[in-house]
Amino acid sequence: EPEVTQTPSHQVTQMGQEVILRCVPISNHLYFYWYRQILGQKVEFLVSFYNNEISEKSEIFDDQFSVERPDGSNFTLKIRSTKLEDSAMYFCASSEDTGTETQYFGPGTRLLVL
Amino acid sequence: AQRVTQPEKLLSVFKGAPVELKCNYSYSGSPELFWYVQYSRQRLQLLLRHISRESIKGFTADLNKGETSFHLKKPFAQEEDSAMYYCALSQGAQKLVFGQGTRLTINP
Repeated sequence: EPEVTQTPSHQVTQMGQEVILRCVPISNHLYFYWYRQILGQKVEFLVSFYNNEISEKSEIFDDQFSVERPDGSNFTLKIRSTKLEDSAMYFCASSEDTGTETQYFGPGTRLLVL
Repeated sequence: AQRVTQPEKLLSVFKGAPVELKCNYSYSGSPELFWYVQYSRQRLQLLLRHISRESIKGFTADLNKGETSFHLKKPFAQEEDSAMYYCALSQGAQKLVFGQGTRLTINP
């Protein structure tokens, strides 16, 4: 069964550094998402992406964040200048369609900012 | 604003006992409700969605619009049901709004 994959599984970085989190969505899916979960808190929506552009973003997704689909398979989340509070588990998800369609999640990347 | 509330962070029941994980939501339109589950060391995966009206692994959930609830139930808990359970709402747009999650432990 096809799955969403994410790399790396863990990332440790220094405050102020740029990080790129990578995701490979399921191949026939059209909608892509990033969520994050700070330790002990809810899973929070960051951004959704369709047809090579952002379709919705949350208040969390400020100018420090960007997403890109650089080729036909990868979907990346870039954090330009990491802050301590960016430490979290970041989940990528994809779906065939929007609305009621099931979102399939990747295993997550645990980001630790020191 | 949409909100999903799971009042219990932790829930512990004995094997064979009934299980109910509570979920309440606030949303002004017609929501789509989901239950996602995360077993130990595994990814978030869909357990069931209200639109399907199906039973998965013995779990059911009924959308009660009057009480704005979508509680997850199972009549007889099994040890393999131990996991983190998340209730989520989709507003017909794209994002999922999650509750804080309930960690369910089934004692032998």
